[in-house]
Amino acid sequence: EPEVTQTPSHQVTQMGQEVILRCVPISNHLYFYWYRQILGQKVEFLVSFYNNEISEKSEIFDDQFSVERPDGSNFTLKIRSTKLEDSAMYFCATYSSGLDNEQFFGPGTRLTVL
Amino acid sequence: AQSVTQLGSHVSVSEGALVLLRCNYSSSVPPYLFWYVQYPNQGLQLLLKYTSAATLVKGINGFEAEFKKSETSFHLTKPSAHMSDAAEYFCAVSLGGKLIFGQGTELSVKP
Repeated sequence: EPEVTQTPSHQVTQMGQEVILRCVPISNHLYFYWYRQILGQKVEFLVSFYNNEISEKSEIFDDQFSVERPDGSNFTLKIRSTKLEDSAMYFCATYSSGLDNEQFFGPGTRLTVL
Repeated sequence: AQSVTQLGSHVSVSEGALVLLRCNYSSSVPPYLFWYVQYPNQGLQLLLKYTSAATLVKGINGFEAEFKKSETSFHLTKPSAHMSDAAEYFCAVSLGGKLIFGQGTELSVKP
């Protein structure tokens, strides 16, 4: 069964460093999302991406964040200068229109900012 | 604005007992509703979804949920809890594609 994959599974970084989280969507999916889950809290929407551009972003997704699909397969989330409060689990999700809005989630990347 | 409220951040049941996890939503349009399960240190797995077909939706692992428009509810149930059901459960509503999640309910199952 096709699945969304994410790398790395765990990333530890120093405050102020840049990180790139990677996601490989299911091959025929067209809509891509990033969500964040701070430890013990609910899952929060960050950004949606369709047709090579951002379709919507939340208040959390400030200028420190960016997304791109550099090679037509990977979907990346970049945090330019990490803060302690960026420590969280980051989930990629993808969706193909016509599947009743069902999003398929990757296993997540745990980001720890020290 | 669409939102989701899960009543009870923690529910504890005995093995074999009924599981009832509550979810209420607010939506200005007919919603797509979902229940996801998250096992410790894992990602989100879809349990079931409501997409305006049958109001009683059956999912994986013996779970089901009933959409009640009059009550704006989509509660998750399972007749008989199993130890392996211990996990975090999230209700979500779809808004323009993105998912809005509830706070989550942690389910504990006692032997």
